Amino acid sequence: QKEVEQNSGPLSVPEGAIASLNCTYSDRGSQSFFWYRQYSGKSPELIMSIYSNGDKEDGRFTAQLNKASQYVSLLIRDSQPSDSATYLCAVKDSGAGSYQLTFGKGTKLSVIP
Amino acid sequence: NAGVTQTPKFQVLKTGQSMTLQCAQDMNHNSMYWYRQDPGMGLRLIYYSASEGTTDKGEVPNGYNVSRLNKREFSLRLESAAPSQTSVYFCASSEVIADTQYFGPGTRLTVL
Repeated sequence: QKEVEQNSGPLSVPEGAIASLNCTYSDRGSQSFFWYRQYSGKSPELIMSIYSNGDKEDGRFTAQLNKASQYVSLLIRDSQPSDSATYLCAVKDSGAGSYQLTFGKGTKLSVIP
Repeated sequence: NAGVTQTPKFQVLKTGQSMTLQCAQDMNHNSMYWYRQDPGMGLRLIYYSASEGTTDKGEVPNGYNVSRLNKREFSLRLESAAPSQTSVYFCASSEVIADTQYFGPGTRLTVL
């Protein structure tokens, strides 16, 4: 069973700080990685996808991927109370005909005003 | 452009009753998925449809059936509901199988 591990939190950061969310995965052959944000009672919404080693920036969000160490992280700069949500890491399974994204259980982030 | 829509938003069933959850997408995506989300368990794939005319089992298919009615619509049926099927159900779609997925608003189902 392929696994995606995330610290469940809650992770509390003060407003304006950098929030760092981490995710490790077991499938060494995985090539596609996704971060979703889920507000309480709502559906997951895509923040970013990343496919290559290194950093990918989009506004206040930066995804970092290290395939050798099998981890992917999400940095949120200048954190706002509106960033308070659960963040889900998702990894595409490798292998021929792979069809599945494996989701982590999520890290709950709380940004304190 | 509504994205992915689901009906109903809420449903309460008695054990043994049947129902169908409806999902439609207007993004011309090829692939569609049904997930359930339970506290402490994360999102788990029930069934998926890689393209119109095909459906396959995911991680937790027991007790469910699906129909890919056309490219836009993908329904999930519970033939005989059980309390263990109490969950939040999400439909999702993607242009390419297992690539970036877009989720519907969810159906909150309670089975008594």
